[in-house]
Amino acid sequence: NAGVTQTPKFRVLKTGQSMTLLCAQDMNHEYMYWYRQDPGMGLRLIHYSVGEGTTAKGEVPDGYNVSRLKKQNFLLGLESAAPSQTSVYFCASSPGGGAGTQYFGPGTRLLVL
Amino acid sequence: AQSVTQLGSHVSVSEGALVLLRCNYSSSVPPYLFWYVQYPNQGLQLLLKYTSAATLVKGINGFEAEFKKSETSFHLTKPSAHMSDAAEYFCAVSKRDDKIIFGKGTRLHILP
Repeated sequence: NAGVTQTPKFRVLKTGQSMTLLCAQDMNHEYMYWYRQDPGMGLRLIHYSVGEGTTAKGEVPDGYNVSRLKKQNFLLGLESAAPSQTSVYFCASSPGGGAGTQYFGPGTRLLVL
Repeated sequence: AQSVTQLGSHVSVSEGALVLLRCNYSSSVPPYLFWYVQYPNQGLQLLLKYTSAATLVKGINGFEAEFKKSETSFHLTKPSAHMSDAAEYFCAVSKRDDKIIFGKGTRLHILP
């Protein structure tokens, strides 16, 4: 039981390049989330999904897209990376909204030059 | 709208001393409240949560928090700090079937 895994762990991009971050969970959770963590800002929700085939915008969605084609996977895409997207990205999953505990992955460090 | 305020971005306590991390929330309806902990270079993990049962909630590693509706607070405490408690702690709030809103975090330093 691996829980929540994220690929890759670290990536360096040049401005304008694109990439996809992969999140996978093996707990059969309905809800999945993508956050970014920046110093002094806490965690900010980028996008989330309440089930396979669904996505919704969070607090800071601009510059990102997501897809949830399979229940266990949640992909975060950056179409044209910008230095402001340098951050640590965390994926989380939960059995339900509200009171449901969120289970976090180990994070992906992204540096955009 | 919901929000969470954590008082103090950095807190230092001596090993063996009381740990007190402060969290105040705002919510238009009875909330669910959480404390998560993040150790260096790791993701967050749940310490404890309040879901409208007992107001005093016990979590892992000896931590506990008390929900005080009159003060809109959910402060985290531990009677005796250990070096292994050094980490960043996040308070969070949510409503039924809604997203979780995280505070900005408090980094706890343990002094030998």
